[in-house]
Amino acid sequence: ETGVTQTPRHLVMGMTNKKSLKCEQHLGHNAMYWYKQSAKKPLELMFVYNFKEQTENNSVPSRFSPECPNSSHLFLHLHTLQPEDSALYLCASSQAYKRGSYNEQFFGPGTRLTVL
Amino acid sequence: GESVGLHLPTLSVQEGDNSIINCAYSNSASDYFIWYKQESGKGPQFIIDIRSNMDKRQGQRVTVLLNKTVKHLSLQIAATQPGDSAVYFCAEKNGTSYGKLTFGQGTILTVHP
Repeated sequence: ETGVTQTPRHLVMGMTNKKSLKCEQHLGHNAMYWYKQSAKKPLELMFVYNFKEQTENNSVPSRFSPECPNSSHLFLHLHTLQPEDSALYLCASSQAYKRGSYNEQFFGPGTRLTVL
Repeated sequence: GESVGLHLPTLSVQEGDNSIINCAYSNSASDYFIWYKQESGKGPQFIIDIRSNMDKRQGQRVTVLLNKTVKHLSLQIAATQPGDSAVYFCAEKNGTSYGKLTFGQGTILTVHP
């Protein structure tokens, strides 16, 4: 295993529901990420947190709301989603970033989300 | 209109053959290039990376080649094994960003015993 866990692994929700995805990393990292992987597009970065501060929001609709309470946990709160939001949502973590540097990202297994 | 999924390039090889997976990138400002492997039901797994000031880097059974002139990246896998069957993604990192990776569409590698 990679040291990054995600729950739930599968989620089915209606368009009016509110749900949250959880990610936890056990690697001592300080940067965490949310990605969306759908059948229609390549893997897309959604959000980046570096030392609990959001450093990237890749033009994600406001119906997706991230939360990073500490360096080990990352949440993605979902509300009033659309069927086209159905996808695999992947969390990743890495050592903290400085501009211009690269640190390997470790991915969790993902949450398979279906919006009815 | 009806939405369609990505049609990923596919590569089928026999066990023991060498595999070459190609990727074109677009951003001249990218400073790192990374290859990931994704097996069914799992998240992407790091294979190897290369900095933009290099043109070749070797790992265990894998070699990454970078041609900045034509913005081309390749992953060579030596003595391919059935366990190498997966989707392979290239990714590029913008030199000015905090870890923002842009992924390619992926290539499906199937290794036949």
